[in-house]
Amino acid sequence: EAQVTQNPRYLITVTGKKLTVTCSQNMNHEYMSWYRQDPGLGLRQIYYSMNVEVTDKGDVPEGYKVSRKEKRNFPLILESPSPNQTSLYFCASTGRGGATNEKLFFGSGTQLSVL
Amino acid sequence: GDSVTQMEGPVTLSEEAFLTINCTYTATGYPSLFWYVQYPGEGLQLLLKATKADDKGSNKGFEATYRKETTSFHLEKGSVQVSDSAVYFCALSAGYSTLTFGKGTMLLVSP
Repeated sequence: EAQVTQNPRYLITVTGKKLTVTCSQNMNHEYMSWYRQDPGLGLRQIYYSMNVEVTDKGDVPEGYKVSRKEKRNFPLILESPSPNQTSLYFCASTGRGGATNEKLFFGSGTQLSVL
Repeated sequence: GDSVTQMEGPVTLSEEAFLTINCTYTATGYPSLFWYVQYPGEGLQLLLKATKADDKGSNKGFEATYRKETTSFHLEKGSVQVSDSAVYFCALSAGYSTLTFGKGTMLLVSP
């Protein structure tokens, strides 16, 4: 089954404690992206990757890091989480046509709370 | 920059009512336009899309027409069901790298 898998589904942490949210897709997609969803703000892109070892900033990259060492994986790293990073996070992927021409496949989301 | 504006929700309807969710956009060039739907506790799913002016996207009884003259992509359905209750996002893409989403409109359908 084609899918984007995020883990964990829920995460509660404390300020400053490094964490990683994993994302994996089984569709051999070139393009992967991270979004955060906040009430009243919709979805905003954090980082994206067009292929292995190619990453770029989205609209709200501050406080986040990503890496793309393998095609299937695109982890999101919070080196020193802060309460304003409490949010619902989604990973998404799509094929060679990119976001313009192909549909994005979304993971089920990671609800992060930073205390 | 690119932007998408959706009507605020929630939109509350009775089953079998007609649905319209307004969406307008601002973009340079000729973007592709999308509607995504998010059911409770799930990620977003593509509902329909249109890639050029006057195209009509349709799926599961939902329709939207790409109107370049009014920069709009309104979502419509003739008869909603309780199972259509969800959050609907209008989005545009002007390039390979990203989608720009609206803030989302919650639809609540009662029996």
